[in-house]
Amino acid sequence: AQSVTQLDSHVSVSEGTPVLLRCNYSSSYSPSLFWYVQHPNKGLQLLLKYTSAATLVKGINGFEAEFKKSETSFHLTKPSAHMSDAAEYFCIPVGSQGNLIFGKGTKLSVKP
Amino acid sequence: DTGVSQNPRHKITKRGQNVTFRCDPISEHNRLYWYRQTLGQGPEFLTYFQNEAQLEKSRLLSDRFSAERPKGSFSTLEIQRTEQGDSAMYLCASTLGAASGPQETQYFGPGTRLLVL
Repeated sequence: AQSVTQLDSHVSVSEGTPVLLRCNYSSSYSPSLFWYVQHPNKGLQLLLKYTSAATLVKGINGFEAEFKKSETSFHLTKPSAHMSDAAEYFCIPVGSQGNLIFGKGTKLSVKP
Repeated sequence: DTGVSQNPRHKITKRGQNVTFRCDPISEHNRLYWYRQTLGQGPEFLTYFQNEAQLEKSRLLSDRFSAERPKGSFSTLEIQRTEQGDSAMYLCASTLGAASGPQETQYFGPGTRLLVL
């Protein structure tokens, strides 16, 4: 079964500095992977998804992620953090029924 | 707004009562998923429908829980004899899923927050 590990439960950055949210996957084959974001009191929103078409995936709001098979990683990055980026971020594989397998996520705080 | 909608947004009930939540997916989406999210945790899969057929149920879905999607459009999730441990956010998501290839984006509703006293 596919699984992911988000290495940091909480990341804090200053506004205008780069963001790195780490995700490592465990799979015997190239998985489908998603990054979703959950803002406080708001619904879950897709940031980007990897489906083997391209290893560098660009998402919304300036986020991107690179699928690295050699490192079994799919880290989420953004060059410059904005206050509105403060939220919970989930790196998610897809289950056998198409269901998303959520972990605990990474909480991103952005300091002014 | 043509996104996924859920009603009610909040529900407070007493232990032992029954509650029912409704999810209206995006109109052309044939797959509908229910998840549950407790405080500080990521959502957990409960069940899903392909059109009107319920194809999979998680072990989290005890026999007090039942879900329906009678016409392949909206879905209801009922919890009978609620317990305090049922307090959570119940999320619905929909997608245009093919028989194979589960990589389609799931669009989430705002959720129904349940508090069992």
